[in-house]
Amino acid sequence: AQKITQTQPGMFVQEKEAVTLDCTYDTSDQSYGLFWYKQPSSGEMIFLIYQGSYDEQNATEGRYSLNFQKARKSANLVISASQLGDSAMYFCAMREGYSTLTFGKGTMLLVSP
Amino acid sequence: DAGVIQSPRHEVTEMGQEVTLRCKPISGHDYLFWYRQTMMRGLELLIYFNNNVPIDDSGMPEDRFSAKMPNASFSNLKIQPSEPRDSAVYFCASSLRDTRGYTGELFFGEGSRLTVL
Repeated sequence: AQKITQTQPGMFVQEKEAVTLDCTYDTSDQSYGLFWYKQPSSGEMIFLIYQGSYDEQNATEGRYSLNFQKARKSANLVISASQLGDSAMYFCAMREGYSTLTFGKGTMLLVSP
Repeated sequence: DAGVIQSPRHEVTEMGQEVTLRCKPISGHDYLFWYRQTMMRGLELLIYFNNNVPIDDSGMPEDRFSAKMPNASFSNLKIQPSEPRDSAVYFCASSLRDTRGYTGELFFGEGSRLTVL
């Protein structure tokens, strides 16, 4: 079974609108971490936001927020007020145990003017 | 501060040749990871080190792949002999363990794009 599932291969949004990128995960661990990364066309991997399984509040970082629903095992990324520079591939990842991150297949986001 | 530095950025080689990819992690980080990214398989963890010691190499595809971390500031990934199916972007990443022992976010290098003809 896949550990991280991103069901949206591609998403389109207009500039200034909000967009939600879906991520569901599968783990039996009680302690885990969820990460979102952005990969623009230039190829580098940019860390966006982190949510720990014991964190009670949803994580926020500027225009990024993580909608964490533990019972549903979902960790959706919400980008508010989309900008053209947000066009990129977005990866959800999970850390089980202490060390390694497993990545989903990614969602390509295209922001149009 | 310098980020994770990888070299070369691009490598084109012929099947059968040895390939060496290099990585300098962020100073002070105690974890180092090698990932491979392809369209078909996405991002796959190949191997990771903690304090220069290989912890899990179960993602290394086969014996043609090897990785070493001789000191805290350098790691290399070797493919010998290389094959066309090894063509991919290889990322090195480093991270720091937090006070509870968990690794924090991974800081990625810019990747090494390998093409094997």
